[in-house]
Amino acid sequence: EPEVTQTPSHQVTQMGQEVILRCVPISNHLYFYWYRQILGQKVEFLVSFYNNEISEKSEIFDDQFSVERPDGSNFTLKIRSTKLEDSAMYFCASSLFGQGGGNQPQHFGDGTRLSIL
Amino acid sequence: KQEVTQIPAALSVPEGENLVLNCSFTDSAIYNLQWFRQDPGKGLTSLLLIQSSQREQTSGRLNASLDKSSGRSTLYIAASQPGDSATYLCAVPYNQGGKLIFGQGTELSVKP
Repeated sequence: EPEVTQTPSHQVTQMGQEVILRCVPISNHLYFYWYRQILGQKVEFLVSFYNNEISEKSEIFDDQFSVERPDGSNFTLKIRSTKLEDSAMYFCASSLFGQGGGNQPQHFGDGTRLSIL
Repeated sequence: KQEVTQIPAALSVPEGENLVLNCSFTDSAIYNLQWFRQDPGKGLTSLLLIQSSQREQTSGRLNASLDKSSGRSTLYIAASQPGDSATYLCAVPYNQGGKLIFGQGTELSVKP
């Protein structure tokens, strides 16, 4: 069964450094998402991406964050200057359609655990 | 603003028991509701998606029900096994774009 893959599984970075988290969504999916889960807290939405542009972003997704789909397969999340509070598990997800057009489930990757020192 | 709540936060049952996990949401105007399983340190595995027009959805030993008017969904697990031990999350899309709003999860432990 097709799956969403994320790399790396664990990233340790010094505060202030840039990180890029990578995701390969399911190949025929059209909608892409990033979520994060701080330890012990709810999974929270960061950003959604469709038709090569951001369709929605949360308050968390400030100017330090950016997303890109550089080719037909990869979907990346970049954090420009990391802070201690960016430490979390970051999940990529994809779906075939948006929720208004087909009720397709979102499929999640195994996540990247980001640790900021 | 949509809020999703799951009760209880944790549940421990002996193997073989049938159990029910609860999920409630404040805004009944949802497209669907999705149940996930999360193993420690792992990603989210989609278990069931129940559409707003449906009342039930079944997959193996799992049965999800949806009552939109009361803002509730339940996940019924029949004949629980130790391998069912995990955190179970429910989520609803906030809008057509698909942004999911998650509950805090119920941590299930099935004892042999």
